[in-house]
Amino acid sequence: VQLLESGGGLVQPGESLRLSCAASGFTFSSYAMSWVRQAPGRGLEWVSSISGSSTGTYYADSVKGRFTISRDNSKNTLYLQMNSLRAEDTAVYYCAKASRYCSGGSCQPRYYFENWGQGTLVTVSS
Amino acid sequence: EIVLTQSPGTLSLSPGERATLSCRASQSVSSNYLAWYQQKPGQAPRLLIYGASSRATGIPDRFSGSGSGTDFTLTISRLEPEDFAVYYCQQYGSSPITFGQGTRLEIK
Repeated sequence: VQLLESGGGLVQPGESLRLSCAASGFTFSSYAMSWVRQAPGRGLEWVSSISGSSTGTYYADSVKGRFTISRDNSKNTLYLQMNSLRAEDTAVYYCAKASRYCSGGSCQPRYYFENWGQGTLVTVSS
Repeated sequence: EIVLTQSPGTLSLSPGERATLSCRASQSVSSNYLAWYQQKPGQAPRLLIYGASSRATGIPDRFSGSGSGTDFTLTISRLEPEDFAVYYCQQYGSSPITFGQGTRLEIK
């Protein structure tokens, strides 16, 4: 399993940025995916999750209405569109693969994170 | 939202000693859906334990998890030099997913 984030950088407050996460080594469409961030010197904060088929999307209150998670299963890529960025969004953003539980021929996501990317740094500053 | 409180904030121990880390939830964690991660400086977190007590693939058996409801524990039976890091608990039983603030395990 490999997860490779890209798209981070320095932006001014109010601007937008789109993060990408290229996945390989597993059947991407079969797994829910998430973004987790870590502000400098701080702990981990869940940001957003998306189901394997994109039918379900979930957001932390701190980003709801500003961030949009999406995926392109044909490209094995996860995205995070970040609009109206604020200084408090400054963090390393990790892409993470959720686990799943399979029984009786169907599988359900379990949102603990078996695999993580190396992270991409987003800095929001004027 | 379930708030996870980890204690102690910092734990100072020597290699070979036993480490006991606590994670307390503000309300019961559904189905004991609690995970533990290890993070070293400049690295991504690594999954250690899921479902409160199941070890992730490749995790040494000196790491064990226990607990249920609102009180959970990560135990490292005999500390190795590579175990000194920050440890986080995470609940995934209810939305939103939440993490504890972390326990720093440092060499005494």
